[in-house]
Amino acid sequence: QKEVEQNSGPLSVPEGAIASLNCTYSDRGSQSFFWYRQYSGKSPELIMFIYSNGDKEDGRFTAQLNKASQYVSLLIRDSQPSDSATYLCAPAPNFGNEKLTFGTGTRLTIIP
Amino acid sequence: ETGVTQSPTHLIKTRGQQVTLRCSSQSGHNTVSWYQQALGQGPQFIFQYYREEENGRGNFPPRFSGLQFPNYSSELNVNALELDDSALYLCASSLDLGTDPRGYGYTFGSGTRLTVV
Repeated sequence: QKEVEQNSGPLSVPEGAIASLNCTYSDRGSQSFFWYRQYSGKSPELIMFIYSNGDKEDGRFTAQLNKASQYVSLLIRDSQPSDSATYLCAPAPNFGNEKLTFGTGTRLTIIP
Repeated sequence: ETGVTQSPTHLIKTRGQQVTLRCSSQSGHNTVSWYQQALGQGPQFIFQYYREEENGRGNFPPRFSGLQFPNYSSELNVNALELDDSALYLCASSLDLGTDPRGYGYTFGSGTRLTVV
């Protein structure tokens, strides 16, 4: 069973600052991770996939994976009000018949 | 627009009734999963279908059942509705890329908000 822990927040960050979202996981066999963004009342949207230790950057978003410590994080630089959402992390399935297991998600609010 | 459509968008049912939720996946996406998301929680896995066969199930009772059709559409059926079934129901599809985990990055539909009264 893949367990995922996230601080549910809410996390409030001033506009223009860096938002840091963290996720810890229990299954050492997890090799890669997804980050999803979910706006209130909407469905989750895939924003990042990371599969190796270290950082992966995509625009203002940077995902960090540390397999030794079993955590994955998402940094959002130059935070914008449009980044206000719930962010969900999930270990990527190792096989096609595995489910996605989500944590509760972290609710992020960017304060103008 | 994600290419995965769900209907209806909102639904109100009475306790004890039955409901059918529908999902139309992207062409070629042969894996579909259904999730239940209660308010303030992450999505919880209900079950998954691969090429019209159930391919995994979460901790949900048998009154939750599903079907997947050859045209990439699928259904979630819930019998004997209970108040706790009130939630956002999400359908997600993915393209099987073999062992490439990027293929398991599910695309979610917009969801069906079910309210049981």
